[in-house]
Amino acid sequence: ETGVTQSPTHLIKTRGQQVTLRCSSQSGHNTVSWYQQALGQGPQFIFQYYREEENGRGNFPPRFSGLQFPNYSSELNVNALELDDSALYLCATATRETQYFGPGTRLLVL
Amino acid sequence: QQQVKQSPQSLIVQKGGISIINCAYENTAFDYFPWYQQFPGKGPALLIAIRPDVSEKKEGRFTISFNKSAKQFSLHIMDSQPGDSATYFCAARNGSSNTGKLIFGQGTTLQVKP
Repeated sequence: ETGVTQSPTHLIKTRGQQVTLRCSSQSGHNTVSWYQQALGQGPQFIFQYYREEENGRGNFPPRFSGLQFPNYSSELNVNALELDDSALYLCATATRETQYFGPGTRLLVL
Repeated sequence: QQQVKQSPQSLIVQKGGISIINCAYENTAFDYFPWYQQFPGKGPALLIAIRPDVSEKKEGRFTISFNKSAKQFSLHIMDSQPGDSATYFCAARNGSSNTGKLIFGQGTTLQVKP
């Protein structure tokens, strides 16, 4: 177990809505990353937060945004949901070496 | 340049056999190569990882072989067991990046038959 927890586990939204996904960690790592994993694909990096600041972003539009809190928990917000946003969203605490993933939130956009 | 190509897409192995999954990359700035194992409904779990200054790393039944000149690395699962049935992802990290961002391969679904 990585000690990374995510909520909710599953979520159904309709196109155009907004969603907030949450992540917390017992590790004390001050870096958190978010990834999107489409069905049958490898995870794709969305962004990373370090000490409450975004310090790296993948090829995702601005409607994907995030927050990191002083206790290092994090949120991923997605506005104006599109059908292609349906995926498993993974949070990971990061050391300089690698990423330790939570179980993910399965988002379905109808 | 940022891609990691993984093969095969799927693999069926008999119990006790050797499972081999291959990955290739182009970006010489990659400096860290982990393998992740993912079961259905779960997040990826770190299995084993290697740096390019080492040609092989072994942990239990899992071995990474690394060929820096060919820009290829592979995962070998010895004595494969039905419990190893899962999706395996290779990944790479760009050492020149200020983040720990990982670039993943497309995944290999392994089925180990009893």
